[in-house]
Amino acid sequence: GAVVSQHPSRVICKSGTSVKIECRSLDFQATTMFWYRQFPKQSLMLMATSNEGSKATYEQGVEKDKFLINHASLTLSTLTVTSAHPEDSSFYICSVQRAGSSYEQYFGPGTRLTVT
Amino acid sequence: GNSVTQMEGPVTLSEEAFLTINCTYTATGYPSLFWYVQYPGEGLQLLLKATKADDKGSNKGFEATYRKETTSFHLEKGSVQVSDSAVYFCALRAVLIQGAQKLVFGQGTRLTINP
Repeated sequence: GAVVSQHPSRVICKSGTSVKIECRSLDFQATTMFWYRQFPKQSLMLMATSNEGSKATYEQGVEKDKFLINHASLTLSTLTVTSAHPEDSSFYICSVQRAGSSYEQYFGPGTRLTVT
Repeated sequence: GNSVTQMEGPVTLSEEAFLTINCTYTATGYPSLFWYVQYPGEGLQLLLKATKADDKGSNKGFEATYRKETTSFHLEKGSVQVSDSAVYFCALRAVLIQGAQKLVFGQGTRLTINP
């Protein structure tokens, strides 16, 4: 069964509003989660690393004030796209890192955001 | 910096054909290498991995060998099935930051297998 869930799977919002996307680890506690963005026919681009109980680490070029990440518990991380614009329309994917020697990442099914 | 380059798709094959999807990488040090598969409507799943030079990862009939001399990790399968239709991503893992291990992905290759 699924190890990671994301909610919602699809969301349409109006320009200027904010949207929250949830990522849940279903099978294990995760101190580290990752948020990616995937453009059509392009690769996954890492946006930020979400650490439970501390501030997220953002990749270069990602606006931390626009993409707010909260990793409030060991099973939940949220990504809030603030004041969304049409160029924020994309596929957002989270992954959960299992601690241990393998550090394997488990991916959620993704959330399709459309900003009109 | 670290990067991964995959052969461009889409790739369309007939059932039972031989598959190769090329992947080359640029990295400092000795990264671990991965192939992920994304079936329609689902999240990425780890297909196989290799953690050091000359390692061969294999799963579900797919294979890839970590070639340090050519910085490559090509994905192969001897006889593809319709159910193999998906998007395939090559990735490397490098840079330990605060206990997290970052993945760098190639652009993905869409594979369609026709009956």
